[in-house]
Amino acid sequence: DQQVKQNSPSLSVQEGRISILNCDYTNSMFDYFLWYKKYPAEGPTFLISISSIKDKNEDGRFTVFLNKSAKHLSLHIVPSQPGDSAVYFCAAVANAGGTSYGKLTFGQGTILTVHP
Amino acid sequence: KAGVTQTPRYLIKTRGQQVTLSCSPISGHRSVSWYQQTPGQGLQFLFEYFSETQRNKGNFPGRFSGRQFSNSRSEMNVSTLELGDSALYLCASSLALGPETQYFGPGTRLLVL
Repeated sequence: DQQVKQNSPSLSVQEGRISILNCDYTNSMFDYFLWYKKYPAEGPTFLISISSIKDKNEDGRFTVFLNKSAKHLSLHIVPSQPGDSAVYFCAAVANAGGTSYGKLTFGQGTILTVHP
Repeated sequence: KAGVTQTPRYLIKTRGQQVTLSCSPISGHRSVSWYQQTPGQGLQFLFEYFSETQRNKGNFPGRFSGRQFSNSRSEMNVSTLELGDSALYLCASSLALGPETQYFGPGTRLLVL
């Protein structure tokens, strides 16, 4: 049962354009969401997060949008740079205010390629 | 500040053997979580330890176990290895003060032959 889904295995974008990575979830108990970036032979690196009480969070070139009614979140990267090429994972936490915040449920990942 | 370190980085074992992986969290981090990454299943949560106690557990068989020491360092053990246990095992640490972000180590690549 895949509770967090990233339906696009890959995305190719031109440098300078916007990259939009999408993520859907099914578990209504998820109340905190994160995006991680992963290079080969390295562990995932945290990018940006959002609590379910918000619908948008911005950090530099990265913005995450959350649509709770649709159980959908997206990561926007503007402008995209070749160094952004990596695998992007969305992750979710249930009952983040309790003791479950150490348990992340990950999507399958989307490979982003930014062409110069 | 030093990041999360995992040892060994690479490991080759044969079916039926057991293996122990080690994780040293970022200094001051009290929570350590373990994840398994495989091409077919993606990143899956194994378990989380906080103050030497297992606080959360994923859906893995009892062959997978772990522990945390008083200095927050953690080990995970897999007994009676199966071919399907070949994976990248990632450890992540956090301050455990709330929905904190987890900081991941580089992982241990385990190959079971």
